[in-house]
Amino acid sequence: DQQVKQNSPSLSVQEGRISILNCDYTNSMFDYFLWYKKYPAEGPTFLISISSIKDKNEDGRFTVFLNKSAKHLSLHIVPSQPGDSAVYFCAASDPGGYQKVTFGTGTKLQVIP
Amino acid sequence: DAGITQSPRHKVTETGTPVTLRCHQTENHRYMYWYRQDPGHGLRLIHYSYGVKDTDKGEVSDGYSVSRSKTEDFLLTLESATSSQTSVYFCAIKDSLGNSPLHFGNGTRLTVT
Repeated sequence: DQQVKQNSPSLSVQEGRISILNCDYTNSMFDYFLWYKKYPAEGPTFLISISSIKDKNEDGRFTVFLNKSAKHLSLHIVPSQPGDSAVYFCAASDPGGYQKVTFGTGTKLQVIP
Repeated sequence: DAGITQSPRHKVTETGTPVTLRCHQTENHRYMYWYRQDPGHGLRLIHYSYGVKDTDKGEVSDGYSVSRSKTEDFLLTLESATSSQTSVYFCAIKDSLGNSPLHFGNGTRLTVT
């Protein structure tokens, strides 16, 4: 049972445009959500997070939006740059069980120069 | 990078042999995690630890065991490796139970022939 879903395996965007990566979750107990970026042959690196008490968090070019009623979150990258080309993982954590973090299957973003 | 070192970085082994992967951290973080990454599955939790000698199973723990005799080291053992355990293994650490992100090592690529 996939509790965190990223339904788009890949996304191509022109440099300078907006990239929107989407994520859906099923577990209503999740209260903390994260996005990670992963380059080949490296570990995932933390990008941005949001608590369930908020609906938006912004950090530079990256903004995460959370819609709790729809159990949906999205990552916006504006403007997109070629260096943003990577696999992006959505993740969610629940307050119990030592906050195990559950990951989605990832979306490969390609930013075309 | 958080001070996380995984060893070895690459390993090829034969079916039926035991394999131990090591994760070493210099951050003195209490929580440590082992994930595996496979195409189409994202990152899946194998085992985690919430203190020295305190460990618990994740969603894909069958065929794996762990040990944590010191804060800084978290070992993942495949008692008898199978081809289905061919994967990239990531260790992660977390400093507290609060809303804080996991930080990952650079992974171990394991091939079981």
